[in-house]
Amino acid sequence: AQRVTQPEKLLSVFKGAPVELKCNYSYSGSPELFWYVQYSRQRLQLLLRHISRESIKGFTADLNKGETSFHLKKPFAQEEDSAMYYCALRGSNYKLTFGKGTLLTVNP
Amino acid sequence: SAVISQKPSRDICQRGTSLTIQCQVDSQVTMMFWYRQQPGQSLTLIATANQGSEATYESGFVIDKFPISRPNLTFSTLTVSNMSPEDSSIYLCSVRASGRGGSYNEQFFGPGTRLTVL
Repeated sequence: AQRVTQPEKLLSVFKGAPVELKCNYSYSGSPELFWYVQYSRQRLQLLLRHISRESIKGFTADLNKGETSFHLKKPFAQEEDSAMYYCALRGSNYKLTFGKGTLLTVNP
Repeated sequence: SAVISQKPSRDICQRGTSLTIQCQVDSQVTMMFWYRQQPGQSLTLIATANQGSEATYESGFVIDKFPISRPNLTFSTLTVSNMSPEDSSIYLCSVRASGRGGSYNEQFFGPGTRLTVL
């Protein structure tokens, strides 16, 4: 079975502060990990994926297989980063399993 | 990429009735998915709908309750049958299509249908 855990339901930081959204997963094979974001009144959209090792909007995430984690990080949070963030895992069956999400609020 | 539209965007329904949600994609896609997001919960996959075959349902979801049609490569419907207040949720259509970089299959989501059952 595949499972994704986001331990923080809510996360509040001040503008300019570093932010880390935690994600841990459980999967017996080699997973693909993703971070999706949903801004207020917008649809869910892909932020980044581990396979590309990319940085999007200043966010990065490194897959740590030893710790089965895929934490999302940004060194300096901006107010426009306020949104709901979902970590997701895709196994060999092409199905996405989502975590429960973390609501990030960046205060001015 | 793929742009997905859903109808209706929201509805309020009476217990015992049924609602059909439509999903339209602006390009041909093989794999379409239907998700449910209950209040305060994460997205849960209901079923996978591939054109030309019966939908594959996840554990806890059955065809009698959530019949799905997939008549072509750009369209699908999900019906929520014999509704109860527990079916109040956001229902999302999703597809796999070429995304960033062109060669990678990315999953795109529709805007969702917010259903309230009284």
